[in-house]
Amino acid sequence: AQTVTQSQPEMSVQEAETVTLSCTYDTSESDYYLFWYKQPPSRQMILVIRQEAYKQQNATENRFSVNFQKAAKSFSLKISDSQLGDAAMYFCAYRSQSGNQFYFGTGTSLTVIP
Amino acid sequence: DSGVTQTPKHLITATGQRVTLRCSPRSGDLSVYWYQQSLDQGLQFLIQYYNGEERAKGNILERFSAQQFPDLHSELNLSSLELGDSALYFCASSVGVGKYNSPLHFGNGTRLTVT
Repeated sequence: AQTVTQSQPEMSVQEAETVTLSCTYDTSESDYYLFWYKQPPSRQMILVIRQEAYKQQNATENRFSVNFQKAAKSFSLKISDSQLGDAAMYFCAYRSQSGNQFYFGTGTSLTVIP
Repeated sequence: DSGVTQTPKHLITATGQRVTLRCSPRSGDLSVYWYQQSLDQGLQFLIQYYNGEERAKGNILERFSAQQFPDLHSELNLSSLELGDSALYFCASSVGVGKYNSPLHFGNGTRLTVT
């Protein structure tokens, strides 16, 4: 089974600064999808960004972007111009090629300091 | 709004009781997933259904069961409840098997408190 590792249980960033959350995964598949989800204090799970493994170009959604390194099996999330509303738990997720399974990391709790 | 509807939002019950959590997937989604999230914990995958059939099982206790009905809504049944079953239970849906570019769309969860 694929594993997803988020090695930073907690991170903090000053408001308006940039922060990068790391995620690595283990797989033998060549094609797959990667996702970042945000869980604010309301505990809703919100899709932040997605990346197709076959695309070399890194995905970007407004202030959120990823650094996808396929060979290194790394999928980090960069948040630019951090805002107070970005404070949340962030989960990295891997979807296998078969489409059945989603594998989640253990999450990184992001604090934004005013 | 993800389009996934979970009811009830909150549930308080006593140990030993049985409860049913309900989920309506997003329109067009055939796959339903159930996850358990205890306080300050990650997501524990319980079970997945696709078009009415069980597709994958995770760390689901024998006291728990689920099913997906012909109209694609799903129910998660939790019985002989214990204090440790208190958690947020998420339902999520996705387009289906083979369309692996589709993300999971989560409902808002059912917060279960066992007293």
